[in-house]
Amino acid sequence: QSALAQPRSVSGSPGQSVTISCTGASSNVGASTYVSWYQQHPGKAPKLIIFDVTKRPSGVPDRFSGSRSATTASLTISGLHTDDEADYYCCSYAGFEGVFGGGTKLTVL
Amino acid sequence: EVQLVESGGGLVQPGRSLRLSCVASGFTFDDYAIHWVRQAPGKGLEWISGISWKGDHMGYAASVKGRFNISRDNAKNSLYLQMFSLRADDTALYYCARDLRSGSYYDFSYSMDVWGKGTTVTVSS
Repeated sequence: QSALAQPRSVSGSPGQSVTISCTGASSNVGASTYVSWYQQHPGKAPKLIIFDVTKRPSGVPDRFSGSRSATTASLTISGLHTDDEADYYCCSYAGFEGVFGGGTKLTVL
Repeated sequence: EVQLVESGGGLVQPGRSLRLSCVASGFTFDDYAIHWVRQAPGKGLEWISGISWKGDHMGYAASVKGRFNISRDNAKNSLYLQMFSLRADDTALYYCARDLRSGSYYDFSYSMDVWGKGTTVTVSS
């Protein structure tokens, strides 16, 4: 059981928006700006899509956005595409270690 | 091309040891902290260890602390994970991944922008 709680699954239709939450504690998500999000397609390595809570790496579409309120971080994907269907993981600084959320499977209906 | 390539995985009996390697290319290896992240079959990602650019700061997840040792050789652009006392629940795909930061004074961001394809470790008798 991960220290960061994510919903097991979310779904949306093409063009819609979805938000994935990542609930932690003051010792991790609420402790620093080091919250990141990863997208993982089946059989592939994870891909960084959000870092430092809200920033996007070069090449990641602005349909992906991150936010945080207290000890809960969120990833919002707007204008869903069929290829957004994947697993999504949050990750946070947690003192002298990192911690991932349990992952959320996004289904694009 | 910026890349990380892991090797050293395989089938190993419980209680035995194994050493994983990760070779970097296409970037200045000693500018960055590097991490090991694993993924058990059908499960989520688990951070297990990270090391600063200089190799003087390391962190470990509770699940591997005392059994795994991370190290790096900047002259060889290489990262290592020495695993001892392996257990069945260590069975996973092991990735190495580059941190956005150097890891000086334990300043790891755990934001990992370059990943290898992974090497598979299976612990079974």
